[in-house]
Amino acid sequence: GDSVTQMEGPVTLSEEAFLTINCTYTATGYPSLFWYVQYPGEGLQLLLKATKADDKGSNKGFEATYRKETTSFHLEKGSVQVSDSAVYFCALMGGAGSYQLTFGKGTKLSVIP
Amino acid sequence: DVKVTQSSRYLVKRTGEKVFLECVQDMDHENMFWYRQDPGLGLRLIYFSYDVKMKEKGDIPEGYSVSREKKERFSLILESASTNQTSMYLCASSLGMGGVETQYFGPGTRLLVL
Repeated sequence: GDSVTQMEGPVTLSEEAFLTINCTYTATGYPSLFWYVQYPGEGLQLLLKATKADDKGSNKGFEATYRKETTSFHLEKGSVQVSDSAVYFCALMGGAGSYQLTFGKGTKLSVIP
Repeated sequence: DVKVTQSSRYLVKRTGEKVFLECVQDMDHENMFWYRQDPGLGLRLIYFSYDVKMKEKGDIPEGYSVSREKKERFSLILESASTNQTSMYLCASSLGMGGVETQYFGPGTRLLVL
């Protein structure tokens, strides 16, 4: 079945540092890929998504590129802020007709001033 | 903005009790979902519904049932709560028109079963 593997945390960075959170996936067909973010005490919200190979999703300074050849969707940000402290989830949705999300285990990011 | 609300943020129940978790969405979405979130396990799908009175099992349906009598409301039922059902429960909804759709999540209900 489908699965998502993301780097384990927690990750602690200083403000303005570069962020990478690795995500790889296993899926049949042509999945769509997502990053969701969960701020403390809140539900998940969509951060960005990509629906086909070589697509780049971006939002709030975060980026991720759908790499079919390496089955990856790594999340990056050039300069993190304290307000980026949250748990980040990589997820995939299977091919046509599927509406079930499969999530990774989540990566907790803490950004210190 | 899509709003997904859940009836309680925190709930404490005793083993064997029947527990109802309620979820309401205000955007006329067709699809609704219940997940549980546990540390180190991420989110796992319990049940989803693609229409009123329609439901399908997710990855971990054992010990749970659901009810969708109205389009905007999706209830998760623990018939006889057990301690291993202590968890964070998240409800979500999506439009349901096909294609790649964003799921919108509620704030979650943290359930403790004693």
